Amino acid sequence: EAQLVESGGGLVQPGGSLRLSCATSGFTFSAYWMAWVRQAPGQGLEWVAHIRRDGSERYYVDSVKGRFTISRDNAKNSLYLQMNSLSAEDTAMYHCAREAAYDSSGYYKAFDMWGQGTLVTVSS
Amino acid sequence: DIQMTQSPSSLSASVGDRVTITCRASQTISNYLNWYQQKPGKAPEVLIYAASSLQSGVPSRFSGSGSGTDFTLTISGLQPEDFATYYCQQSYSTPPYTFGQGTRLEIK
Repeated sequence: EAQLVESGGGLVQPGGSLRLSCATSGFTFSAYWMAWVRQAPGQGLEWVAHIRRDGSERYYVDSVKGRFTISRDNAKNSLYLQMNSLSAEDTAMYHCAREAAYDSSGYYKAFDMWGQGTLVTVSS
Repeated sequence: DIQMTQSPSSLSASVGDRVTITCRASQTISNYLNWYQQKPGKAPEVLIYAASSLQSGVPSRFSGSGSGTDFTLTISGLQPEDFATYYCQQSYSTPPYTFGQGTRLEIK
């Protein structure tokens, strides 16, 4: 069974750093674009970062550019999110998500698999 | 960046009702529009991709339509398990792939 399992969340002080991990299994990890999506308590979904299959393209929401780095290790079937200079606004559940492509060109895509998330709390 | 606006933010309905949720993009996105369902404490699940294509395993009472900037998600014959929060998401061109703010569907 395919699954995504996040880890690495926790309580961190403002200005601190955390590294989130997403361990995957049950599918060919290197064949998929992957992403991080977060959800602040009681709020909606916010796309955070995206990475190409081979790691050669990375995209970020403006609010995390220069602070967060998405990466992957295809040999370890794992996705990562390095988060620096954290602030209270980064407090959220962080989900990793697999992007499925529904056509051969890859134009039609959606997040077809999600992990249960890891909670990041930024507070003094 | 493309902004996605859903309406209503919340609605109440009864089992068996037909409900419609709308999503508007700030610029044309063709049909690069997805719908997700999220239940409390759970990860989201994709229902519809490419505006109107049903994800495998999703009941046929869910349907999507629209193109350009205006889209709808319709649930025909609400079931108890459908009470949840629904999000649209655009997947046009390259990221950012923004989500709408969500629509909470509650039992009347």
